[in-house]
Amino acid sequence: AQSVSQHNHHVILSEAASLELGCNYSYGGTVNLFWYVQYPGQHLQLLLKYFSGDPLVKGIKGFEAEFIKSKFSFNLRKPSVQWSDTAEYFCAVNGGSQGNLIFGKGTKLSVKP
Amino acid sequence: KAGVTQTPRYLIKTRGQQVTLSCSPISGHRSVSWYQQTPGQGLQFLFEYFSETQRNKGNFPGRFSGRQFSNSRSEMNVSTLELGDSALYLCASADARGRTGELFFGEGSRLTVL
Repeated sequence: AQSVSQHNHHVILSEAASLELGCNYSYGGTVNLFWYVQYPGQHLQLLLKYFSGDPLVKGIKGFEAEFIKSKFSFNLRKPSVQWSDTAEYFCAVNGGSQGNLIFGKGTKLSVKP
Repeated sequence: KAGVTQTPRYLIKTRGQQVTLSCSPISGHRSVSWYQQTPGQGLQFLFEYFSETQRNKGNFPGRFSGRQFSNSRSEMNVSTLELGDSALYLCASADARGRTGELFFGEGSRLTVL
């Protein structure tokens, strides 16, 4: 069965610090990978996605993620975080014909102004 | 395009009661998925419907059920509520032609069971 593991439960950073959130998945075949973000009081929104091609994917608000197939990883990065990036971030995978997304448990990011 | 709409947004029930939640997908989307979100477990997949048929099902007891109508609107039902059913129930729709898994979420229905 597919699973997704997010390494950090809660990350606290100061503004302008760099961010990297870890995500590993277990599935041996072709995968589609996603990062979703949930700002306080808002619905889940797609941050970025990887289907195929360039393993370095750029998303909204300056976020990017790198797919490393050999490590089964899809880590999220941002060079300089802002207070407005405070949110919960979810990594998700869709593999094969299963059709439904499997989510990690999420990482809460708190950015101090 | 209007987004995914879920009703009601908030509801309070007592143990043993049942509840029905409704979801209207984005126009043209024929796939509707339901997830349960709790602080400890994150998002857990309940089921997915496509063209009125349940296409995938997660690992939840039979008290959790759903259906989809011909206009793609979906409902989920939880019977004999337990305290542990308190959660945010999220509906998501997808343009399922490519089956990429990209989902568009509603704001959720927050269920509190007392």
